[in-house]
Amino acid sequence: GQNIDQPTEMTATEGAIVQINCTYQTSGFNGLFWYQQHAGEAPTFLSYNVLDGLEEKGRFSSFLSRSKGYSYLLLKELQMKDSASYLCAASGAGSYQLTFGKGTKLSVIP
Amino acid sequence: GAGVSQSPRYKVAKRGQDVALRCDPISGHVSLFWYQQALGQGPEFLTYFQNEAQLDKSGLPSDRFFAERPEGSVSTLKIQRTQQEDSAVYLCASSLGGYGNEKLFFGSGTQLSVL
Repeated sequence: GQNIDQPTEMTATEGAIVQINCTYQTSGFNGLFWYQQHAGEAPTFLSYNVLDGLEEKGRFSSFLSRSKGYSYLLLKELQMKDSASYLCAASGAGSYQLTFGKGTKLSVIP
Repeated sequence: GAGVSQSPRYKVAKRGQDVALRCDPISGHVSLFWYQQALGQGPEFLTYFQNEAQLDKSGLPSDRFFAERPEGSVSTLKIQRTQQEDSAVYLCASSLGGYGNEKLFFGSGTQLSVL
């Protein structure tokens, strides 16, 4: 099975940088997804990491360390519209299903 | 269609009623997933289809839950004799191929409230 852990809530200021951490324990691991979910809406894909290291995509970057079972999502130049839940999800080797964390609710304040 | 479409958007059921939730995936997507999301929680896997074949139903909570995708496109999740603990948002997602490491396109979900 898989166990995903991420903080429940975070607050950050508009224009700042925030890092959302995710740790995972898994019996078989393929890669790590990040999804964004605004309240009452569908989760939308942000990133997918398979290899160790940092992948940058505009204001958002995602990092993975397979040896440490650790990932983070880095959001730069925060905007009010970034207020949402951020879901970390692990894909298992040989499995089609994703195991999601409980999500981190990010509040961006002026 | 342009995205994954789910209906109804909201469903209120009395305890003991049967409900049917519909998912219309992105045209041409091979894989279709159902997830259940309780309030304040992450989505939890229910079942997976590759075309019309249900390859994994290990997440279905009980035999009251049944899913089908008879023609490899539209899918229906049916819950019989609903109970209060079934109250949740039911999310459908699709992906292009039949691989476990593809990004998922989610619908907006059906919010089920069982009274």
